Amino acid sequence: ELKVEQNPLFLSMQEGKNYTIYCNYSTTSDRLYWYRQDPGKSLESLFVLLSNGAVKQEGRLMASLDTKARLSTLHITAAVHDLSATYFCAVGYGGSQGNLIFGKGTKLSVKP
Amino acid sequence: EAGVAQSPRYKIIEKRQSVAFWCNPISGHATLYWYQQILGQGPKLLIQFQNNGVVDDSQLPKDRFSAERLKGVDSTLKIQPAKLEDSAVYLCASSLVPGVRHEKLFFGSGTQLSVL
Repeated sequence: ELKVEQNPLFLSMQEGKNYTIYCNYSTTSDRLYWYRQDPGKSLESLFVLLSNGAVKQEGRLMASLDTKARLSTLHITAAVHDLSATYFCAVGYGGSQGNLIFGKGTKLSVKP
Repeated sequence: EAGVAQSPRYKIIEKRQSVAFWCNPISGHATLYWYQQILGQGPKLLIQFQNNGVVDDSQLPKDRFSAERLKGVDSTLKIQPAKLEDSAVYLCASSLVPGVRHEKLFFGSGTQLSVL
């Protein structure tokens, strides 16, 4: 059974600081996603990672994937308040597009 | 481009009542998904449609949940009768190209259901 664990589940940061969110998964997968969710809003796709060593960056966020370690990281550089949200990783399984196991999410709060 | 539309935004019912949720995906998107997100957890796939056919409903509690996408466009998800543990946010998502496993999913804002 595929399990996805994120840590930390809660993260309070100061503006300007760097931090990393970790996503571990238990069995082989061919795709890993990172999503952002603001309170009361829909999930927004940030990154999809498909291969070992894949790295993607958008603004202050950078995601990477190590399929051998079954680990993905979401690194936040010089955090700003606008990054406050809940971040989910999701790992694909099976042949169906929607077959995703989500982590519990990391609630990020960036304080001035 | 209009996003995935869902209604109602909130619903409060008593246990054993029935409830229905509606979703209109992004125009032209062939694949539609319903997810259940319980507070403090990530979303869980309930059912996936491709056009008006069911691709995967293995995690749908079929004794009480049903879903349809009759014309291959909008979809409804029904719960009858509701239980306390059905309290959750029900998310609808859609994607454009069927059969591409890493295709991007677009999510709606969800319907928050409270069962009392």
